[in-house]
Amino acid sequence: GEDVEQSLFLSVREGDSSVINCTYTDSSSTYLYWYKQEPGAGLQLLTYIFSNMDMKQDQRLTVLLNKKDKHLSLRIADTQTGDSAIYFCAETAYSNNAGNMLTFGGGTRLMVKP
Amino acid sequence: GAGVSQTPSNKVTEKGKYVELRCDPISGHTALYWYRQSLGQGPEFLIYFQGTGAADDSGLPNDRFFAVRPEGSVSTLKIQRTERGDSAVYLCASSPRQGSYEQYFGPGTRLTVT
Repeated sequence: GEDVEQSLFLSVREGDSSVINCTYTDSSSTYLYWYKQEPGAGLQLLTYIFSNMDMKQDQRLTVLLNKKDKHLSLRIADTQTGDSAIYFCAETAYSNNAGNMLTFGGGTRLMVKP
Repeated sequence: GAGVSQTPSNKVTEKGKYVELRCDPISGHTALYWYRQSLGQGPEFLIYFQGTGAADDSGLPNDRFFAVRPEGSVSTLKIQRTERGDSAVYLCASSPRQGSYEQYFGPGTRLTVT
């Protein structure tokens, strides 16, 4: 079945850039997502990218997609302490006519040190 | 506007008991998903509803798990004869329509089976 892998942990200093990486195996993935989860909270959709794109920028967030290597990254510029959370990569093989269930990675815990 | 809501936020039950978990999707969203997130892992798909029907229940772990959505809005996830391994956060997500690539998550119900 589909598999999504992430590193477990990342620590950065406030003001630095953070880069969170993800690899996936499903070659039919059409949408790839980054979700943020803070302690005790649900999942917040941060951004997503369609598989025919290789980059998407949204304010401090930059998503890079290397479809050949099935590698997705999320760069957070000027990381703040409020960015400390668990970040999940997810993918779906999008269909107009069926459900688009998400397959998630195990999450990367980002710790931002002041 | 109101997001996805889930009740209860926490549920503690004894092994062998029956539990019901409720999800109120965003008003007007026709697609609804249930996921389960075990400690330290990413969410895993359980079941998908389009309207009132369960269009894909391939993620339900066994026949102790069942979900309904009788009027195409509120959904209830039902677990019979609970086991300690069922302890997890159960997340609900809704999506505007079948085929939409966006899913909006609720805060989850943390189920603890003692």
